[in-house]
Parts: sequence; structure tokens; C-alpha cells
Amino acid sequence: DSGVTQTPKHLITATGQRVTLRCSPRSGDLSVYWYQQSLDQGLQFLIQYYNGEERAKGNILERFSAQQFPDLHSELNLSSLELGDSALYFCASSVTGRTDQPQHFGDGTRLSIL
Amino acid sequence: AQKVTQAQTEISVVEKEDVTLDCVYETRDTTYYLFWYKQPPSGELVFLIRRNSFDEQNEISGRYSWNFQKSTSSFNFTITASQVVDSAVYFCALSEAYNNNDMRFGAGTRLTVKP
Repeated sequence: DSGVTQTPKHLITATGQRVTLRCSPRSGDLSVYWYQQSLDQGLQFLIQYYNGEERAKGNILERFSAQQFPDLHSELNLSSLELGDSALYFCASSVTGRTDQPQHFGDGTRLSIL
Repeated sequence: AQKVTQAQTEISVVEKEDVTLDCVYETRDTTYYLFWYKQPPSGELVFLIRRNSFDEQNEISGRYSWNFQKSTSSFNFTITASQVVDSAVYFCALSEAYNNNDMRFGAGTRLTVKP
């Protein structure tokens, strides 16, 4: 158990809809990362937050947004969903977000778009 | 930008065989960090090891060992006396000290250990 909690574990929705994925980092970790894992793209970094502030952005679509709240939990919002958004979405956390620190991953949220 | 290549897409071995998973990386930074993660069939990503670019000492942890060679830009992972529970997808990853952008993952190697 990594200590990172993601909810829900599974999400099934339709094209055009909007969903919110939730992540609670490990106790003491200030930085949160979001990744998308799909069969064709592999593990892709989306965005990183540190103590409530956006720190780094990767291949995140404009239809996607995220935030980290004062209690350090984070939410990833996906809107105008398309079939290609079907993937496993991981949240990870690290203590300070420095690049030398390992990231500890949650179990992921599997998103299926019908 | 940094790049990680795991050329072996799938490997299948019989229990008790040794197996080596290859990882080759590219980076312009002189300070960087290499990681291995395991993704078992249940789906979670489990951190295995971190190595920084200044430490080329090989590491052994039980049946797992890692060989880091800067001269060939490789960070290979060997499982000795493999077991069925080692069946998983293994990812090699790289992050750069001065690139705050992301941890770059390889495509992963799916290891199947047959009884």
C-alpha cells in the first residue's frame, strides 16, 4: 500500500460528459502528480502541483484541468470526454516534488468512455 | 528532452530462470535520476529503486539487482531465480535535476514467469 488514495477506482461515462478524479497524497507529501496510461501512449505525465500551486505541466489537454486544495488532496477534471480519453489515470505524490525523489503511485482510476 | 527506451516489449521465462530487463536512456543533463517501477496485474505502480547519476555502484536487494553503466547509458534490472509473482510490467524512468517538467517513463517490459 503506497499510501496514495484515488477515487473512484472505476468510472464509466459517455462522450461529451465531464468527470472528476480525486487523489489524496501520502501523509506528509506536498507534491501531487497526475499521469495518464493508455495502450498506445504509455505513461504520460499530465501535471504536477506542489503545496497548492501548479509546478509543471506535461501533455495535458485543454479539456483537462486540475487543482490541489489546501488539505493537499487533488482533483483532475476531464471535460468534453472523447473515446480516446479512455485510460488509466494515476495520481502520485512525493515529499517536496524534487526530481530526485521517487513518486509513490495510487492504484489508479480506470476511465471508460462509451 | 530526456528519453527512455525499453526495447524488450515482452519476455517470457520459466520459474527459477534469471532474467534481465534492459533500459537505455538519453539525457543532456549531467545530474539525473533513474528509477524502476513494477506494475503487477492488479494495476498499481510500485516503486523499486532510485539511482542518481553520480552513483554507479550496482545494487542488490534480495533476488533483484541493478546494473548502472553511464558509459552505455544503461540501467538494467536483473531478477535472479524468477518466481511467478514477479510477473508484471516493469518500467524504467528518468528525471533530470534541472528539468522540473516530468519523470519520463519507458514503454515498459511485460515479464511473464511460467511455473
